[in-house]
Amino acid sequence: QKEVEQNSGPLSVPEGAIASLNCTYSDRGSQSFFWYRQYSGKSPELIMFIYSNGDKEDGRFTAQLNKASQYVSLLIRDSQPSDSATYLCAGPNAGKSTFGDGTTLTVKP
Amino acid sequence: NAGVMQNPRHLVRRRGQEARLRCSPMKGHSHVYWYRQLPEEGLKFMVYLQKENIIDESGMPKERFSAEFPKEGPSILRIQQVVRGDSAAYFCASSREGTGINSPLHFGNGTRLTVT
Repeated sequence: QKEVEQNSGPLSVPEGAIASLNCTYSDRGSQSFFWYRQYSGKSPELIMFIYSNGDKEDGRFTAQLNKASQYVSLLIRDSQPSDSATYLCAGPNAGKSTFGDGTTLTVKP
Repeated sequence: NAGVMQNPRHLVRRRGQEARLRCSPMKGHSHVYWYRQLPEEGLKFMVYLQKENIIDESGMPKERFSAEFPKEGPSILRIQQVVRGDSAAYFCASSREGTGINSPLHFGNGTRLTVT
């Protein structure tokens, strides 16, 4: 089993909708998680991190962590075409970060 | 620019040649990580280094690949006798300490390696 998994295929939402991106993890000891955004041909950039159960909001982005279910999600409200990118979930593992395979989001005008 | 610096941005090598990828971490960062990304795939961990030490190389292929982070100068990822399957984007990232909420990764722009 992968340490961090993003199972959903490409996601397409209309402009203004809420995009929901999901991630599960296998190590119950994991304490914190990161969401990175990667535009096509570019490097990943950190957009949010979360380490407490519950929700963390930053502008249009909300990260959610459920340690009991070993589940992390990222909600993007009022999605914009500029949000079209691949979103990578990552968890620390012995000092390094382990990434999921990413979910590609397309926001259609 | 105080960010993570990688060079070259693009590297073309013929099969059998050597590829050397360089990474200078962000100022104040002493932890360096190398990741490989194949087209349409996620980031795969390769190696984690501190100055003069390899901390974790569990993601490195057993042959042809090596990495170093000397006391002076950039971190180097070296691929000997490249094959077409080595064609990928190689990203370097750095952090102030081991990855955690107070020490997230900062990525360089990557080196796109093409093996012909």
